[in-house]
Amino acid sequence: AQRVTQPEKLLSVFKGAPVELKCNYSYSGSPELFWYVQYSRQRLQLLLRHISRESIKGFTADLNKGETSFHLKKPFAQEEDSAMYYCALGQAGTALIFGKGTTLSVSS
Amino acid sequence: DAGVIQSPRHEVTEMGQEVTLRCKPISGHDYLFWYRQTMMRGLELLIYFNNNVPIDDSGMPEDRFSAKMPNASFSTLKIQPSEPRDSAVYFCASSLATGGDGNEQFFGPGTRLTVL
Repeated sequence: AQRVTQPEKLLSVFKGAPVELKCNYSYSGSPELFWYVQYSRQRLQLLLRHISRESIKGFTADLNKGETSFHLKKPFAQEEDSAMYYCALGQAGTALIFGKGTTLSVSS
Repeated sequence: DAGVIQSPRHEVTEMGQEVTLRCKPISGHDYLFWYRQTMMRGLELLIYFNNNVPIDDSGMPEDRFSAKMPNASFSTLKIQPSEPRDSAVYFCASSLATGGDGNEQFFGPGTRLTVL
């Protein structure tokens, strides 16, 4: 069965520290992976998708099919990065499957 | 486009009352999704529609929940009777397609439901 696992419910780091939000998936075909972000009291919005291979707000994520992972990384965390982050798995014909989310807290 | 619109933004009701949540998807989007967000379970898919037809309602928790999409620009999620454990934020989302470039889901602001 398709599944997305985000093992950390909460990740707390200091400003300027590196950040890695973990995401593992289980899927037998060719997956589409996404990261969505939800800032406090705001709607969820797409942060990045693996097919774009782009960096958004300093965040990057590389799809590792061998480890079935799509970890989200940023070398230097900023306070404005504090938010809830959801990893999601997509496939044609069905809805996205979301992980349970990780709350990132960046303090000064 | 104003994006996905949801109403009400906040709803406080008493146990046993009927609750109706409303959603207007982005014009031209063929898919509409209803999610429930809680601290314990994260973001759960309740049901989704394609061209106004329900495709997968396996996430609907029980018969107290029902959803309709009478036309391409409107959907409702109804809870009758409501219970305190239904308290959550309910999100509506829409997308052009599933899979490929159209797969990005656009979310509404959510309805924060509190059942006393």
